[in-house]
Amino acid sequence: EAGVTQFPSHSVIEKGQTVTLRCDPISGHDNLYWYRRVMGKEIKFLLHFVKESKQDESGMPNNRFLAERTGGTYSTLKVQPAELEDSGVYFCASSWTRGDTQYFGPGTRLTVL
Amino acid sequence: QKEVEQNSGPLSVPEGAIASLNCTYSDRGSQSFFWYRQYSGKSPELIMFIYSNGDKEDGRFTAQLNKASQYVSLLIRDSQPSDSATYLCAVRSGAGSYQLTFGKGTKLSVIP
Repeated sequence: EAGVTQFPSHSVIEKGQTVTLRCDPISGHDNLYWYRRVMGKEIKFLLHFVKESKQDESGMPNNRFLAERTGGTYSTLKVQPAELEDSGVYFCASSWTRGDTQYFGPGTRLTVL
Repeated sequence: QKEVEQNSGPLSVPEGAIASLNCTYSDRGSQSFFWYRQYSGKSPELIMFIYSNGDKEDGRFTAQLNKASQYVSLLIRDSQPSDSATYLCAVRSGAGSYQLTFGKGTKLSVIP
């Protein structure tokens, strides 16, 4: 069974540009989470989808970040416009139920120049 | 602000020894506790989870939880060079929230 996949693995953009990250959860997992790790810091929660609905978006840093999960399958996280402090590794995780183990993807390393 | 604290290391142990990794958390209402292992550039991989006070063993790994002291630990017996990785402690409050709060991780190096 395929794990959580993320695309791209790396992205380098300039300040002010737009970037869209994609996450494909494990098949059948209704719960999808986004996390972020900036350099030197811990992994921090961004938001949680249950199917296509946002269950918890308390970790989203500001309105430059937009997450979607149309159809309840894959999810995208758009950063527009990107700022220098958005650089980091963005992880996606999925789980079968809300309280179940969260399985992580390999992450997308975003560098904003 | 919920916090999870870990010693960043590096923690170096000889092959075959016991590695002890520690974690404290600030939210007394936390209900679920997880240890993830992350190799450089790879996904965090779940090793153990524990919900109740006491010890939980799985192969060479033992998780220990003391809610009164707000302390969780991971013991790795018979450490192998392949155990060299960063170990992340994560906590979930369970109060209607399913987000994980992570520590910064402890880097473990097992010396052959």
